[in-house]
Amino acid sequence: QVQLQESGPGLVKPSETLSLTCTVSGYSMRTTTYYWGWIRQPPGKGLEWIGLIYYDGKTFYNPSLKSRLTMSVDTPENQFSLQLNSVSAADTAVYYCARSFRGSTWTRENFCFDFWGQGALVTVSS
Amino acid sequence: QSLLTQPPSVSGAPGQRVTISCTGSRSNIGAGYDVHWYQQVTGIAPKLLIRAISDRPSGVPGRFSGSKSGTSASLAISGLQAEDEADYYCQSYDSSLSAYVFGSGTKVSVL
Repeated sequence: QVQLQESGPGLVKPSETLSLTCTVSGYSMRTTTYYWGWIRQPPGKGLEWIGLIYYDGKTFYNPSLKSRLTMSVDTPENQFSLQLNSVSAADTAVYYCARSFRGSTWTRENFCFDFWGQGALVTVSS
Repeated sequence: QSLLTQPPSVSGAPGQRVTISCTGSRSNIGAGYDVHWYQQVTGIAPKLLIRAISDRPSGVPGRFSGSKSGTSASLAISGLQAEDEADYYCQSYDSSLSAYVFGSGTKVSVL
C-alpha cells in the first residue's frame, strides 16, 4: 500500500520561502508509471492544484503559481519537495502531497490523484 | 471562483438518493477531459471516490456512481448513509488554464 507523508515547518514568515517534503513509502518513485503532485487547501476553502513532478525531474506547474514555485525529486530517498517563494497570508493552507493516477487514458490531462498524504498545515504569519 | 461549479450543499434522509452536479465549460468537461470525484471527511485528506467519470476504485461502495453529459458531470449517492456526510469535490483539467481544476465543493448532510 502506497503511503505519503508531508513534513516541514508549520509557520513561515511573509516574503520568505515555504518548503515541504513528501516521503513516499510502499512504492518506488523510480518506477516510471506515475507522476507525483502537490495540492493545497486554504482553511475552510476548496482544493487547488499546485504542480506535478516525474521521477526524472520533469515538472508541470499551475501557471498561477509558476513564478514562485520549484519542485524537485530525490529518488534514492523516495522523496519529492516543494518550494514556494515570496509567500503571503494567501498561501496559508493545508498542503497535501499525492500520487497521480491515470484516468480513462494515460494522457496527463486525464490524471486523478489516488493516494494522498495526511496533509501539513502551513501558516504564513509574522 | 472555481471553473467547476457545484451546489454548496445537498441533504437527504438515510436511504435516500442524492445527486451532486459539477458544471464546467468547453475548456474542461466539455472538451472531453475526464471528471473525477473525491470525498473529504472533515479534517481528513480527500479520498478518490470515482475515477474517469464512472469508475469506482477498489473498496468504494457501489452506492456511489458517476455520469457525464456535455459540459456537466454528476455524482449520485444511492441509499444514503450517515457515514456519507462529507464534502465532495469534482476534478478535471482545463485547457485554457493549463491546470487541473477542482470544483467548489458540496457538503452532503444526512438528515
